Amino acid sequence: NAGVTQTPKFRILKIGQSMTLQCTQDMNHNYMYWYRQDPGMGLKLIYYSVGAGITDKGEVPNGYNVSRSTTEDFPLRLELAAPSQTSVYFCASSYGVEGTLHFGNGTRLTVT
Amino acid sequence: DQQVKQNSPSLSVQEGRISILNCDYTNSMFDYFLWYKKYPAEGPTFLISISSIKDKNEDGRFTVFLNKSAKHLSLHIVPSQPGDSAVYFCAASAGGTSYGKLTFGQGTILTVHP
Repeated sequence: NAGVTQTPKFRILKIGQSMTLQCTQDMNHNYMYWYRQDPGMGLKLIYYSVGAGITDKGEVPNGYNVSRSTTEDFPLRLELAAPSQTSVYFCASSYGVEGTLHFGNGTRLTVT
Repeated sequence: DQQVKQNSPSLSVQEGRISILNCDYTNSMFDYFLWYKKYPAEGPTFLISISSIKDKNEDGRFTVFLNKSAKHLSLHIVPSQPGDSAVYFCAASAGGTSYGKLTFGQGTILTVHP
């Protein structure tokens, strides 16, 4: 059972480039989330989804987009990368709204 | 405005002793609190939680205490083991449909010395 899988593990982008961070889960969880963690800070919620076709903004959504076409996948799109988006990105899922979150191992992104 | 704060960036304890990690919050709407543990290069993993209707929850060596009037919670680890060395995050949610939308503290690095 793989749980939550994130790819890639590391990526370096130039300013203005775009990329998609992939996240897939095999636990049949309805709820999925994207968080980012800046150095010395806690995780902040970017976007979340309560099921296929339904997404909503979290605390820090600017500069990002998401889609949820299947229960398993929840990709995060960065358009026009900026240095402020240098961070570690964590995808998570939960069975229900009260379920504890299961996190992937993160994607470390550097924008230079 | 940081709604969940862990004021101690690090804590060092001897193996076998008690580790106490603290967390303060400001948002009165928070009614569900969690502790996550994180090892380097891994994602956070759930450790223990507590609802605002309780003041204590225990799971093996881990106990979480909640003081609603002081808006303070703490995690006690007894006895501490070297494998407990990790970053510990306190998190809170406002309940209802917000359970998964967690607000995290900055984390406390716990080091347990053999």
